[in-house]
Amino acid sequence: NAGVTQTPKFRILKIGQSMTLQCTQDMNHNYMYWYRQDPGMGLKLIYYSVGAGITDKGEVPNGYNVSRSTTEDFPLRLELAAPSQTSVYFCASTHRERNTEAFFGQGTRLTVV
Amino acid sequence: GEDVEQSLFLSVREGDSSVINCTYTDSSSTYLYWYKQEPGAGLQLLTYIFSNMDMKQDQRLTVLLNKKDKHLSLRIADTQTGDSAIYFCAESILGTALIFGKGTTLSVSS
Repeated sequence: NAGVTQTPKFRILKIGQSMTLQCTQDMNHNYMYWYRQDPGMGLKLIYYSVGAGITDKGEVPNGYNVSRSTTEDFPLRLELAAPSQTSVYFCASTHRERNTEAFFGQGTRLTVV
Repeated sequence: GEDVEQSLFLSVREGDSSVINCTYTDSSSTYLYWYKQEPGAGLQLLTYIFSNMDMKQDQRLTVLLNKKDKHLSLRIADTQTGDSAIYFCAESILGTALIFGKGTTLSVSS
């Protein structure tokens, strides 16, 4: 199993550009999450999804959008990149009933200049 | 409200025990977790404890939970240089996302 796969690993964006961070999991997990990690900080929840077609805001959703058209994929969209969105982004997934372990992707390091 | 607090740094010598502490605020948390993050990597689950347990031991790792004080600790016995990493405490209420602390950087010197 590949687990949770994120692409790209690194990206530099100019202010105002847009991009999509891809996340896919092959464990048939219902729950998927996007977090951002800023230096010296914990992970902050951006958006999450409890199943295909269902998404909800987390703690820091402004400037981001998500969609969940399939169980496997949960892309995160930045429409107008800002320097405040420079961060490391992690996608994660959990099984619905067995909420004992969240599996994380390797992260996407995004710099907005 | 949901909040998880950890001390930011811990420095130990190889072979000593490390104890990383965490406090949380939501008494309805069902699971509490310890994750490890090595440089440039994602988070890896180390261990977890269900909220009706007081202690859990897994090889060199011992988790203690004091539900009354909302205090969680992770003890690493015989700490090795490979244990140097950031350790995150996290809580979850069933059906919602994990809430993470800011992480404790463990530095192990030989």
